[in-house]
Amino acid sequence: DIVMTQSPDSLAVSLGERATINCKSSQSVLFSSNNKNYLAWYQQKPGQPPEVLIYWASTRESGVPDRFSGSGSGTDFTLTISSLQAEDVAVYYCQQYYSTPYTFGQGTKLQI
Amino acid sequence: EVQLVQSGAEVKKPGESLKISCKGSGYTFTSYWIGWVRQMPGKGLEWMGIIYPDDSDTRYSPSFQGQVTISADKSINTAYLQWSSLKASDTAMYYCARHVTPGPYYFDYWGQGTLVTVSS
Repeated sequence: DIVMTQSPDSLAVSLGERATINCKSSQSVLFSSNNKNYLAWYQQKPGQPPEVLIYWASTRESGVPDRFSGSGSGTDFTLTISSLQAEDVAVYYCQQYYSTPYTFGQGTKLQI
Repeated sequence: EVQLVQSGAEVKKPGESLKISCKGSGYTFTSYWIGWVRQMPGKGLEWMGIIYPDDSDTRYSPSFQGQVTISADKSINTAYLQWSSLKASDTAMYYCARHVTPGPYYFDYWGQGTLVTVSS
């Protein structure tokens, strides 16, 4: 199985400031034939199911505010929230879909 | 509108069997993989396995192989997750979610979750 490790486990950021969450995979999730990273980011708010924010490591899902961005390649990835809003308080997960089982990181709890 | 509607919360005793459901609508059910994800109380997300409803091709995480059974009835656009003998450690929220095709790739739509409580 590919192990996904996020850092930090929790993070407190002031409103309007930048938040950065890291995700590292135990093996590359870059598929050489199409040069795509098989990596997604999800946001889960309390009492709700997760929602996809970013896929292919850097493609923002329709409707997701542009303050959310994803970067990285191979084994190292980053989710950045450029200017934190109150509604961004949530747990964030990365997930690889390169090979089954499609493992998740342990989650990063983002607070104000 | 794509929707995945899951069955309601369940309270069971250890050793009992259970089957929970996930009904898809607003899209061609047989053309998308459906996955199941476990979230134990206060914990993270765990990918359990997936099924392709058109031919019932199923893949399990090694962590869940033999512990649960994933199935689907394409005639009623419904996927299932079942246990033959529940344990207290099966207490969790279970989500179904649709994988983006053709992959299967990431999840784009999620059900609301089914809370399963196993207690004597």
